[in-house]
Amino acid sequence: SQQGEEDPQALSIQEGENATMNCSYKTSINNLQWYRQNSGRGLVHLILIRSNEREKHSGRLRVTLDTSKKSSSLLITASRAADTASYFCATLREGSNYKLTFGKGTLLTVNP
Amino acid sequence: DGGITQSPKYLFRKEGQNVTLSCEQNLNHDAMYWYRQDPGQGLRLIYYSQIVNDFQKGDIAEGYSVSREKKESFPLTVTSAQKNPTAFYLCASSWTAPIHTEAFFGQGTRLTVV
Repeated sequence: SQQGEEDPQALSIQEGENATMNCSYKTSINNLQWYRQNSGRGLVHLILIRSNEREKHSGRLRVTLDTSKKSSSLLITASRAADTASYFCATLREGSNYKLTFGKGTLLTVNP
Repeated sequence: DGGITQSPKYLFRKEGQNVTLSCEQNLNHDAMYWYRQDPGQGLRLIYYSQIVNDFQKGDIAEGYSVSREKKESFPLTVTSAQKNPTAFYLCASSWTAPIHTEAFFGQGTRLTVV
């Protein structure tokens, strides 16, 4: 079963706007990760946040984690057309022997 | 160049045939993973391995088999028992230490049953 569920399934914005994607999960985790996938390609790791962290930044990316609500959000600021891609959250469950499970993703379209 | 390589990029299979997808990494990672992705869908875990000569079933292992005889290699066989094998298959690898669990992905193999 898929651990993470992203919301929304699709998001369309204009260049320069911010994009926020959410992820909810079901069980206790060691960490939560966000990945990006361009159409027909492999996934690229963006950022990892550990269960004892609440917020993390990397360039134009900001990730928050709320373990009490079992949810995370990914914020992309000042979006660009090149940010158009699918974004996935993935969780590494506690005691899972490194079983990394993904959600269904959010398709982000940034219009120039 | 360090990385993870999947081959072939495209694969066509006749009904009833087994096919093997290759995945090789030179990142010295202990863990390797196979995922299946259907159009517009997320990634579903087929098999994963933390160490040589050991692997575990993921969420959709039926109709698939793997081996892990070498640290660098984790081939996936799609057997004739897999009823709907047409999909995009992604291989990944990662460290197993908790501080380094980012996964690195190959570029995928698109399998089509003809």
